[in-house]
Amino acid sequence: AQTVTQSQPEMSVQEAETVTLSCTYDTSENNYYLFWYKQPPSRQMILVIRQEAYKQQNATENRFSVNFQKAAKSFSLKISDSQLGDTAMYFCAFPAQGGSEKLVFGKGMKLTVNP
Amino acid sequence: DTGVSQDPRHKITKRGQNVTFRCDPISEHNRLYWYRQTLGQGPEFLTYFQNEAQLEKSRLLSDRFSAERPKGSFSTLEIQRTEQGDSAMYLCASRSPGAWTEAFFGQGTRLTVV
Repeated sequence: AQTVTQSQPEMSVQEAETVTLSCTYDTSENNYYLFWYKQPPSRQMILVIRQEAYKQQNATENRFSVNFQKAAKSFSLKISDSQLGDTAMYFCAFPAQGGSEKLVFGKGMKLTVNP
Repeated sequence: DTGVSQDPRHKITKRGQNVTFRCDPISEHNRLYWYRQTLGQGPEFLTYFQNEAQLEKSRLLSDRFSAERPKGSFSTLEIQRTEQGDSAMYLCASRSPGAWTEAFFGQGTRLTVV
């Protein structure tokens, strides 16, 4: 079965610091996508960043970047210059194999950015 | 607001009652998803529609659950004979055609079964 593991349930950082959220996954597929979603308190989930497994270059979106290690099945998210608005639950996710439309999510990590 | 909207936002019901939730996806999105999220967990997939066709269902979707998308636009999720274990946040998401385009989520319906 495909699984996503986020081993850190909670982290706390100071504003302007850099923080890295870890994620490991298991799949037998060779070509797939990986996602980080953010769920702020009482607000809807939004996509932070997306990585295509066949691309060697790590994806970046402004202050957000990933470290994708395909062989190790690791997909960590780095947030630079943390802002108070980054406080949220963060979920790593990827599509189930076999052409499924299902996204498999990790349990999430609660990030708190302190002033 | 042209995002995904869900109604109601909160629902409290007595055990054994039926409930129905509605999701209005982004208008040009042909793909629609329902997920369930319990406290401290990530979302779990329930079902997927492409236009009006329900193409994928999770084993989590027991006989008491049914979902429809009659005209390929809005969708409803009905839970019959609710149980306390059904208490959760029910999330709807939609996305446009293409290889894993961004899925947009609604704010969810929080169900509490008492």
